[in-house]
Amino acid sequence: AQKITQTQPGMFVQEKEAVTLDCTYDTSDQSYGLFWYKQPSSGEMIFLIYQGSYDEQNATEGRYSLNFQKARKSANLVISASQLGDSAMYFCAMSATGFQKLVFGTGTRLLVSP
Amino acid sequence: DTAVSQTPKYLVTQMGNDKSIKCEQNLGHDTMYWYKQDSKKFLKIMFSYNNKELIINETVPNRFSPKSPDKAHLNLHINSLELGDSAVYFCASSRTGGSNQPQHFGDGTRLSIL
Repeated sequence: AQKITQTQPGMFVQEKEAVTLDCTYDTSDQSYGLFWYKQPSSGEMIFLIYQGSYDEQNATEGRYSLNFQKARKSANLVISASQLGDSAMYFCAMSATGFQKLVFGTGTRLLVSP
Repeated sequence: DTAVSQTPKYLVTQMGNDKSIKCEQNLGHDTMYWYKQDSKKFLKIMFSYNNKELIINETVPNRFSPKSPDKAHLNLHINSLELGDSAVYFCASSRTGGSNQPQHFGDGTRLSIL
C-alpha cells in the first residue's frame, strides 16, 4: 500500500521569498510517480509537477521544483519567488505501477503575505 | 475548450434522493476517475475506468454506480443519498493509467445533503 505524509498543515511565506512544502511517502513498489497539485480557494485541482521514481534529476517547472530524495522517501515542493497567487492548498500524491489511482496526502495550506 | 468538465457544479438535495453527476473529457485520454474530497479536504479515489472498463472500486457503497458510455464520459449516479455523502466530487482523466501520467481534474461538484 502507498502512503503520503504531509506534516505541515499550514505555512506562511512573504512575497518573493522561497518556500519548501514537505512530503514523505511510503511504498514497497520500485516504479512509482510523485505529483504535486495546487487547490486555490476557488476549488479546482491544478497539476503542478511530476517526478518519476527512476528520474535521476529533480523535476522543475517554472518556479516549481521538486526536491526528490529517494533514499529518504521524500519529495518536497520548492516554490521560488512566491507570489500572492500562490496562496492555496498544496497536495502531494503518488501513483504506483499497476495501481490506477493517486494516493493523496492531507495537504498544506500556504499563505503568501505582501 | 475545457479539458475535463463536470456538471453540475453545485448540487443541493435532500436525504433519500437519487442524483447524477456527469463528466466529460476532450483530451483523448483512456483513463477516467472519480475522487471524493471530504470536509477536511482529504481526497480519496472512488473509481477508475480504463477504456470504459472498471479497474478500481475502492470499497465504495453500492449506492454509488459509475457508468462509462464511452471513454470520454464517466458519470456517477448516487442512490438514496445520505448525510455523509456531502462532499466535493472530482472527476479526472489521464492519458493512460500508468504511474507516470498526471491526472487532469474537473472543477468538482459540491454535493450538499439537507
